[in-house]
Amino acid sequence: DVVLTQSPLSLPVTLGQPASISCRSSQSLGYSDGNTYLNWFQQRPGHSPRRLIYKVSDRDSGVPDRFSGSGSGTDFTLKISRVEAEDVGIYYCMDGGHWPYAFGQGTKVEIK
Amino acid sequence: EVQLVESGGGLIQPGGSLRLSCVATGFTSLDYATHWVRQTPGKALEWVGGIYGNDAKLDYADSVKGRFTISRGSAKNTLYLQMNSLRVEDTALYFCGRDVSPGGLDEWGPGTLVTVSA
Repeated sequence: DVVLTQSPLSLPVTLGQPASISCRSSQSLGYSDGNTYLNWFQQRPGHSPRRLIYKVSDRDSGVPDRFSGSGSGTDFTLKISRVEAEDVGIYYCMDGGHWPYAFGQGTKVEIK
Repeated sequence: EVQLVESGGGLIQPGGSLRLSCVATGFTSLDYATHWVRQTPGKALEWVGGIYGNDAKLDYADSVKGRFTISRGSAKNTLYLQMNSLRVEDTALYFCGRDVSPGGLDEWGPGTLVTVSA
C-alpha cells in the first residue's frame, strides 16, 4: 500500500510570505492511464476538507491562483505564493489513484 | 448544488454497532464512486472504504475489514456504513466523499461524529 509522508508537520508563516509543503510517496503514484492522481486538500478549523489541487497541479474551481502544485513520481509539493489569513488550517496530500486511498499526516499552517 | 450529508453518529459502547448514512443530492451518485473517510481526534485522515457507482468495486481498509460493511440503499443516492464490533480506536468524525475514481474526493459531507467509549 502507498504511504505518504508530509513535511513539515507544522508551518508557521508570515502573512504575505510564501509557504511550501512536501509530500513524498513510498512508491510511484503514476497510474496506468498515464496520469498521477495526487490531490491536495485544505481543512480550515471547523470545516470539512476541501480539495485544492488534483492530478498534481490542476486547481479545483474557485481555488485562488496563489495555490500551486507540482511534482512527479514520488515527490510532490504544494506552494502558496503569498499566505493570507484565510489560509490557516491543515493541509493534506492524498493519492487518488490507488485503493486503499492514502493520506499524508497533515501539515498545520499557522500565522506567526 | 452538489451535497453529501452524513448522519447516524453517536456515543456507543465498545463491541456495539452503529449504522451511518450518506445522502447525496445534486448529482447522479451512480456516476461516481463514494468513499467513507474518518478523521481521528488527532486530525489524521484515514480511508475507511469505498464503492463504485455501478457497485463493480468495493473495498475496505484492513483496520475495518470484517467489521464494517458498505451498502447502497434502495434509493440509490443513499450509502450506508454498517459498523459492528466497534472499538475505542474507531472514535472519529466520519465523512463520506464523492470520487470520479481514479481521481480523488472532490466533494465531502460535513461529517458525523462516532464516539466509542464505555
